[in-house]
Amino acid sequence: GQNIDQPTEMTATEGAIVQINCTYQTSGFNGLFWYQQHAGEAPTFLSYNVLDGLEEKGRFSSFLSRSKGYSYLLLKELQMKDSASYLCAATDSNYQLIWGAGTKLIIKP
Amino acid sequence: ETGVTQTPRHLVMGMTNKKSLKCEQHLGHNAMYWYKQSAKKPLELMFVYNFKEQTENNSVPSRFSPECPNSSHLFLHLHTLQPEDSALYLCASSPEDSGGADTQYFGPGTRLTVL
Repeated sequence: GQNIDQPTEMTATEGAIVQINCTYQTSGFNGLFWYQQHAGEAPTFLSYNVLDGLEEKGRFSSFLSRSKGYSYLLLKELQMKDSASYLCAATDSNYQLIWGAGTKLIIKP
Repeated sequence: ETGVTQTPRHLVMGMTNKKSLKCEQHLGHNAMYWYKQSAKKPLELMFVYNFKEQTENNSVPSRFSPECPNSSHLFLHLHTLQPEDSALYLCASSPEDSGGADTQYFGPGTRLTVL
């Protein structure tokens, strides 16, 4: 079956760096998304990786290894507003999105 | 501002009620989606519409009935729901129904509680 695994919850300190991992098992693969969702709000797009490697966007970076079925989202210089759930979603060979259950990130002062 | 709005934001209904959820997108997209989001579970895709035509129905019970009168509006009609249907219902849109190839833009959701 198709599956996405990511940690349920993580805690980090303001100003620090945190890495949220995501592993996927899909029938084929056509890319991986990361979305951010604040409590009670809409998920919003963060990144989309198709090729191996690291893509950086300001304080957020996303990494993909297709051979390992692995991605991570790296958040630097954490701010309190980064407290949110982070959703990983992989695209299979039919371009269907397979979603993870999300990682709730708690930032402490 | 995501360009996708949903009403109502919160809804409490009894199992015998009939209600409708509304979604509107102002992004000029042609594909619209309904998702169910339950606590600590992955997003569940319910329905997909592309150019007003339903292209996907993921074995959703008939007590959920979608309607897409045009590319900007999407409704989810609810009747005789069960308590396990309580969840956050999210609407999303994308330029076309290329599924996972396009970024989807989500609305804030309707928090539904079925008593």
